[in-house]
Amino acid sequence: GESVGLHLPTLSVQEGDNSIINCAYSNSASDYFIWYKQESGKGPQFIIDIRSNMDKRQGQRVTVLLNKTVKHLSLQIAATQPGDSAVYFCAENQAGTALIFGKGTTLSVSS
Amino acid sequence: DAMVIQNPRYQVTQFGKPVTLSCSQTLNHNVMYWYQQKSSQAPKLLFHYYDKDFNNEADTPDNFQSRRPNTSFCFLDIRSPGLGDAAMYLCATTREAGGGTEAFFGQGTRLTVV
Repeated sequence: GESVGLHLPTLSVQEGDNSIINCAYSNSASDYFIWYKQESGKGPQFIIDIRSNMDKRQGQRVTVLLNKTVKHLSLQIAATQPGDSAVYFCAENQAGTALIFGKGTTLSVSS
Repeated sequence: DAMVIQNPRYQVTQFGKPVTLSCSQTLNHNVMYWYQQKSSQAPKLLFHYYDKDFNNEADTPDNFQSRRPNTSFCFLDIRSPGLGDAAMYLCATTREAGGGTEAFFGQGTRLTVV
């Protein structure tokens, strides 16, 4: 079946570096994408979203890029902080269907 | 203020003993979802309610049932929990179904089966 997935299960960075977390999706009908952050023992927390009619969206310290040609989604975190350490999931949400998650990338930030 | 509230945060149940997890929301959202998340894995959708309309995922075991008595509350019933059902159970809501509406999650209920 079609699904949303992530390229790397883990990513380790130094505090202050920029982090890039990648996600590949296979369903060309997907029209809405979300990045979630999940800390240990907690529910997923919304970070940023993007619709399929956009290729870039910026938030505070975060940027999401969408490349529909290659079905690729990325999350960029500027000046990564220890508090950014968590598991990051991309998810897709298309009209009439429920939110489907990819496998997750664990981001570890060292001081 | 919490908008999606799950109770309890931690639940221990005996093998085969029915257990109910609860979720409430203050957002007045139409759609409520239940996800199962096992260690180091992505949340897996079990089912969702669009208003009173129940939508079961094809691979959700019959052992899992759900009730939504009103807009604010949704329950997950596990009729005969097995050791493999130990997981974090997440409840989420969206204003509408799919197509660009943010999902709000509760903090989850960690289920242990002994």
